[in-house]
Amino acid sequence: DTEVTQTPKHLVMGMTNKKSLKCEQHMGHRAMYWYKQKAKKPPELMFVYSYEKLSINESVPSRFSPECPNSSLLNLHLHALQPEDSALYLCASSQDKAQETQYFGPGTRLLVL
Amino acid sequence: GQSLEQPSEVTAVEGAIVQINCTYQTSGFYGLSWYQQHDGGAPTFLSYNALDGLEETGRFSSFLSRSDSYGYLLLQELQMKDSASYFCAVPGGGGNKLTFGTGTQLKVEL
Repeated sequence: DTEVTQTPKHLVMGMTNKKSLKCEQHMGHRAMYWYKQKAKKPPELMFVYSYEKLSINESVPSRFSPECPNSSLLNLHLHALQPEDSALYLCASSQDKAQETQYFGPGTRLLVL
Repeated sequence: GQSLEQPSEVTAVEGAIVQINCTYQTSGFYGLSWYQQHDGGAPTFLSYNALDGLEETGRFSSFLSRSDSYGYLLLQELQMKDSASYFCAVPGGGGNKLTFGTGTQLKVEL
């Protein structure tokens, strides 16, 4: 099983809402990532979890809050987002290090109104 | 910091060969990866070069020259389904994060 799943596929939220994005992998990978991707742009790294601990935060605004409840799950909690946060949010995992093959989920397409 | 430059768009005909270039500037080097992303889809891993030279995987090959900070992805016998965006990527942060290049949109025409 080389699948990373993400829910929901689409999300529309207002600027005062609180929502969460979920990501799951069952490949035994110990590194998990959140990326943000705008149209026609490359994925931009947001957070890295390594062995369930946050190892990299790319200066992401605090309205994005990651959580890794266990080695298979990764959440991204959203609160008080801005319209410019509308994007595709991708989750990925790799065995251990980033240079190894990263497996991406299908993403959550987020629209903030 | 790290930066990776790619041509923004490449167009080729079905059956042809196309080369997508990537030049990079990094602090520390752990290898060069290539990912493919179809419109509306997720990036999928294509290849990884840690050492200089050519790596071949079916119709796709990837080349790396560390002395020139340069690599390319070679796609042979192009098919319509190869129309997608292609990103080179380098690990950084001690190998714990991946930085993607600017991306190349490949259009394959009949």
